[in-house]
Amino acid sequence: KNEVEQSPQNLTAQEGEFITINCSYSVGISALHWLQQHPGGGIVSLFMLSSGKKKHGRLIATINIQEKHSSLHITASHPRDSAVYICAVRIDNYGQNFVFGPGTRLSVLP
Amino acid sequence: KAGVTQTPRYLIKTRGQQVTLSCSPISGHRSVSWYQQTPGQGLQFLFEYFSETQRNKGNFPGRFSGRQFSNSRSEMNVSTLELGDSALYLCASSLGLVAGVGFGETQYFGPGTRLLVL
Repeated sequence: KNEVEQSPQNLTAQEGEFITINCSYSVGISALHWLQQHPGGGIVSLFMLSSGKKKHGRLIATINIQEKHSSLHITASHPRDSAVYICAVRIDNYGQNFVFGPGTRLSVLP
Repeated sequence: KAGVTQTPRYLIKTRGQQVTLSCSPISGHRSVSWYQQTPGQGLQFLFEYFSETQRNKGNFPGRFSGRQFSNSRSEMNVSTLELGDSALYLCASSLGLVAGVGFGETQYFGPGTRLLVL
């Protein structure tokens, strides 16, 4: 079982839809990141969370430490949101400190 | 402020050769991390440097090494290249305000170096 799992693996939405991507992890963490990767490889860090909720524009990220779960929400989705969204965690007291989820590929159709 | 830069952007090598990749962090950032991304394994953490010292290391063989210079620029080296080393190699920098925070800070990623091993 992977330490970090994401769902769904792929997601197709119509422009304007509300989108939720989920991340669950099985070990104790000190921080969780949501990353966005566009075709071509460039990665942008969207959020870093250790508790609660953060909002930036149309993006909202939440984390529930007790349930070991985080969600990334996109409101009023747009075709430019099409990308791979990756959840990454810093695991404490573990040989491989930083572990990435497999990513969720999002396509937003006009 | 200039972003994270990586050189070269593309590289073709043959099995058995070695390669050195370079990463220049954002000015003022003291922490540099390296990652490997392949279609099969996804993103994996290689190592992290802070103030010229390796602070964390992922599960990669000793063929993968790195270093950081006093100006925070970092290099990673892969010796005796294998076909499976073909990947996108990304570096990311962060402020490193608190030693040991590591991935507890926002990471700023470079565009990556795409390595093809033939």
